[in-house]
Amino acid sequence: QVQLQESGPGLVKPSGTLSLTCAVSGGSISSSNWWSWVRQPPGKGLEWIGEIYHGGSTNYNPSLTSRVTISVDKSKNQFSLELSSVTAADTAIYYCARKVLPAGMGEIWFDPWGQGTLVTVSS
Amino acid sequence: AIQMTQSPSSLSASVGDRVTITCRASQGIRDDLGWYQQKPGKAPKLLIYASSSLQSGVPSRFSGSRSGTDFTLTISSLQPEDFATYYCLQDYNYPYTFGQGTKLEIK
Repeated sequence: QVQLQESGPGLVKPSGTLSLTCAVSGGSISSSNWWSWVRQPPGKGLEWIGEIYHGGSTNYNPSLTSRVTISVDKSKNQFSLELSSVTAADTAIYYCARKVLPAGMGEIWFDPWGQGTLVTVSS
Repeated sequence: AIQMTQSPSSLSASVGDRVTITCRASQGIRDDLGWYQQKPGKAPKLLIYASSSLQSGVPSRFSGSRSGTDFTLTISSLQPEDFATYYCLQDYNYPYTFGQGTKLEIK
């Protein structure tokens, strides 16, 4: 079955760029799914960041659009998140997840999820 | 953005209790809502999609329903492993938005 694994630096300096990668195993990133990023500040709720389709189409949360870029690398079967000009407010656990849309059914769900990776913004 | 108002924010219950958690959408979202369970230190886990469809492998004590813009997650008979935080997520339009979460604790 499909599994997702996040990786990247756990510490980023203020005003720097947060960069994370989500490796997809057990399935192809070129399947008919979207690939998403969600974050969760410590002890708080979940926030959808954005998503990408293997063809390169993206959708972003307007609250982050000016700072976020999601990209896909089909050759490595992975997708990535970049968040620029970070502040302490960007400290969070970052999750990647697959968004499933069965053809013609109009339903959506997020499954599976990666285990999450904590990114701390601090000097 | 669509606001999802989830209630209660916390809930104490006993094993065997019937529990309901509600999410109210700020506008109509059809049946485009999922419920996710999150345990401490773990990623969210899909329970229910499309308002009332049970994800494969999820126990049948979990169920979802909708009345207008109000969505309910019901656990018919709480088990020890059900104590966790629950989130609703609207996937009707962008940006997708979560409820604030309901922490279900042991009484």
